[in-house]
Amino acid sequence: DTEVTQTPKHLVMGMTNKKSLKCEQHMGHRAMYWYKQKAKKPPELMFVYSYEKLSINESVPSRFSPECPNSSLLNLHLHALQPEDSALYLCASSQDSWVNNYGYTFGSGTRLTVV
Amino acid sequence: QQPVQSPQAVILREGEDAVINCSSSKALYSVHWYRQKHGEAPVFLMILLKGGEQKGHEKISASFNEKKQQSSLYLTASQLSYSGTYFCGTALNTGNQFYFGTGTSLTVIP
Repeated sequence: DTEVTQTPKHLVMGMTNKKSLKCEQHMGHRAMYWYKQKAKKPPELMFVYSYEKLSINESVPSRFSPECPNSSLLNLHLHALQPEDSALYLCASSQDSWVNNYGYTFGSGTRLTVV
Repeated sequence: QQPVQSPQAVILREGEDAVINCSSSKALYSVHWYRQKHGEAPVFLMILLKGGEQKGHEKISASFNEKKQQSSLYLTASQLSYSGTYFCGTALNTGNQFYFGTGTSLTVIP
């Protein structure tokens, strides 16, 4: 299995809702990432998990809450989002968080719309 | 910190060649290249580590000039399937500082 699987593919939520994005990989990768991508822009790093521990939080608002239940799963819990949070949310994994030597494998993303 | 790519956009006819450049203001340890098609995830193409090596993948190759803090992606005899947005990604040191470039939109037409 050489894929990163993200669910759901599309999500529409109100500003008072609570929802979660899910990401799964079975490649034995020990680092997993959440990225946010706006249209026609490069992906922006949000969080890095290395060996199931949060190693980087790029000053992301607390309305985004990551969770790594085990080495294969990564969740992103969403609460009280704003319309400007609408974007494509990408999950990625790599063999190690020593990112210099390994490429990322990206999931197909969740297209999030906040109304 | 974000590397700058040039050109921002390019249109090619099938069979033509293209070069995409990635330039950083900081010393680089490695450079990645990714291609993203519309509505899809970025796909890893290759990684170049410091040492000035050049890599190839079929008709797509890349070089990394560590002294100039630049990398270039070479697409030879372009195919329709090469269309998409190309991103470089640069690592500044041996930690987790990794930044995607500004992106280059490449369109190949028949």
